Amino acid sequence: NAGVTQTPKFRVLKTGQSMTLLCAQDMNHEYMYWYRQDPGMGLRLIHYSVGEGTTAKGEVPDGYNVSRLKKQNFLLGLESAAPSQTSVYFCASSRRPSSYNSPLHFGNGTRLTVT
Amino acid sequence: SQQGEEDPQALSIQEGENATMNCSYKTSINNLQWYRQNSGRGLVHLILIRSNEREKHSGRLRVTLDTSKKSSSLLITASRAADTASYFCATDARAGGTSYGKLTFGQGTILTVHP
Repeated sequence: NAGVTQTPKFRVLKTGQSMTLLCAQDMNHEYMYWYRQDPGMGLRLIHYSVGEGTTAKGEVPDGYNVSRLKKQNFLLGLESAAPSQTSVYFCASSRRPSSYNSPLHFGNGTRLTVT
Repeated sequence: SQQGEEDPQALSIQEGENATMNCSYKTSINNLQWYRQNSGRGLVHLILIRSNEREKHSGRLRVTLDTSKKSSSLLITASRAADTASYFCATDARAGGTSYGKLTFGQGTILTVHP
């Protein structure tokens, strides 16, 4: 099993450009999440999904959109990239909510630089 | 604001020594989880401790939880150079209903184990 796969691994954007980050999981997990990791800030939740066709806002959703058209995929979109969105983005999935003691499985991240 | 705060921010030890990392949090929790992140990789789940548990072991890992002090510690015994990584605590805050896995991560402790 591949687990959680993120594409691309690296990307450089100019301010104002758009892009989509793809996350795919092969564990049949219901719950999927997008986090960003910045130095000194830990991981912060951007958006999450509790099942196919559902999305919800996390802690830092502004400037991002997401879609969960298929259970195995969770897409993160940047419509107009800004330098403040330079970060490492991690996708994660879980079988059940963490309140049911279900751990998160992470991908290896996408390193995005916006110039 | 960050729910989990790790201490120390960085820890440097010799192979064979024990490593202790601490995590403090602010609100009531369902569970607390520890994750490990190797450089350039995603986070990997290490251990989960429920709010009604006080201590848990997994191999060379020992986690304690003190809900009265809102704190947890991760002990790695007989450390190896391969344990060099960043370690994060994450809390699932108890908020009446299901939290849907909105884990809140601390800033992490960077552990360096010298051979």
